[in-house]
Amino acid sequence: DTAVSQTPKYLVTQMGNDKSIKCEQNLGHDTMYWYKQDSKKFLKIMFSYNNKELIINETVPNRFSPKSPDKAHLNLHINSLELGDSAVYFCASSQGAGDPVYGYTFGSGTRLTVV
Amino acid sequence: EDKVVQSPLSLVVHEGDTVTLNCSYEVTNFRSLLWYKQEKKAPTFLFMLTSSGIEKKSGRLSSILDKKELSSILNITATQTGDSAIYLCAVRNTGNQFYFGTGTSLTVIP
Repeated sequence: DTAVSQTPKYLVTQMGNDKSIKCEQNLGHDTMYWYKQDSKKFLKIMFSYNNKELIINETVPNRFSPKSPDKAHLNLHINSLELGDSAVYFCASSQGAGDPVYGYTFGSGTRLTVV
Repeated sequence: EDKVVQSPLSLVVHEGDTVTLNCSYEVTNFRSLLWYKQEKKAPTFLFMLTSSGIEKKSGRLSSILDKKELSSILNITATQTGDSAIYLCAVRNTGNQFYFGTGTSLTVIP
């Protein structure tokens, strides 16, 4: 299936741990994104990469670090997890940034719970 | 408060019927409106609408945006059982944030 795949779907971890969420797309898109879903259910952008180059870096704690080994992958590493990091994180991709003609394709989300 | 509201919440139709799904929004700094079809996995992109009055069409599906009324409709003609899914509307603002509606659950019965 052509899609954006995130792993894991669920992640429960203790405060202070370091964890990674992986994202892969096989759509041939050149731009990938990480979003955090807030309590009001809207998706707030965290990072975006275009052809492995960071193009959007919103104000997020330094504990969050994206890594894009190639344009089909964008992983999110989180150090020293805190309770407030608990949320659903969505990966997405598009062909081109700005107003991509073919829109955005989202992954199914990773529910992170920090205990 | 920014929000996206979809109606109806759910819909049951017979194969061959035509359906119209509605999405209304109140989002500051609107940039575009997107429609998605969600079955078991991640949502599948259908349309992205930026300009008012221009219909986008793909097979039996079509959609149009009315920026004056802050709304969009998604039409599906000659429905098939494979159209059964949740249809999501999302609005993107100029800050690259997405506001998703709660979706319309469509069930097409043979």
